[in-house]
Amino acid sequence: NAGVTQTPKFRVLKTGQSMTLLCAQDMNHEYMYWYRQDPGMGLRLIHYSVGEGTTAKGEVPDGYNVSRLKKQNFLLGLESAAPSQTSVYFCASTLAGGGYNEQFFGPGTRLTVL
Amino acid sequence: DQQVKQNSPSLSVQEGRISILNCDYTNSMFDYFLWYKKYPAEGPTFLISISSIKDKNEDGRFTVFLNKSAKHLSLHIVPSQPGDSAVYFCAASFGNQFYFGTGTSLTVIP
Repeated sequence: NAGVTQTPKFRVLKTGQSMTLLCAQDMNHEYMYWYRQDPGMGLRLIHYSVGEGTTAKGEVPDGYNVSRLKKQNFLLGLESAAPSQTSVYFCASTLAGGGYNEQFFGPGTRLTVL
Repeated sequence: DQQVKQNSPSLSVQEGRISILNCDYTNSMFDYFLWYKKYPAEGPTFLISISSIKDKNEDGRFTVFLNKSAKHLSLHIVPSQPGDSAVYFCAASFGNQFYFGTGTSLTVIP
């Protein structure tokens, strides 16, 4: 039982390049989330999904796209990376909605955009 | 605009003493409040939560207090242990979204 895994762990991009971050969970959770963590900003919600085939915008969605084609996977895409997207990205999942459901986080992906 | 604030970036406490971490929020619609602990190079892990209809929740050495009128919550760790040294994030939820504070780095000195 691996919990929540993220691929890759590190990545360096040049401005304008594209990439996809993969999040996978093996807990049969319905809800999945993508956050970014920046110094002095805490974690901010980018996009989330309440089930397979669904996605919704969070607090800071601009410049990102997501897809949830399979229940266990949640992909975060950057179509044209910008230096402002340099950050640590965390994926999380919960069994269901509601704040009483514990979020399980992955180990993070450190992305640098030059 | 930051809806959840942790105004103390760091805190140092002697082993065995009480650690008190504070958090303020602005949105009265938040219905759950949570604390997460984070070690370097790892993702946050859930610690304890409290519903907006309660004012206290305990789990072992960890107690969270909620003061709705002041829009303030705090996490008490008693007694503090060196393994508690980590960054602690306060979070609040409304609907399907979670809002996190900027974190407080706790150092427990042996």
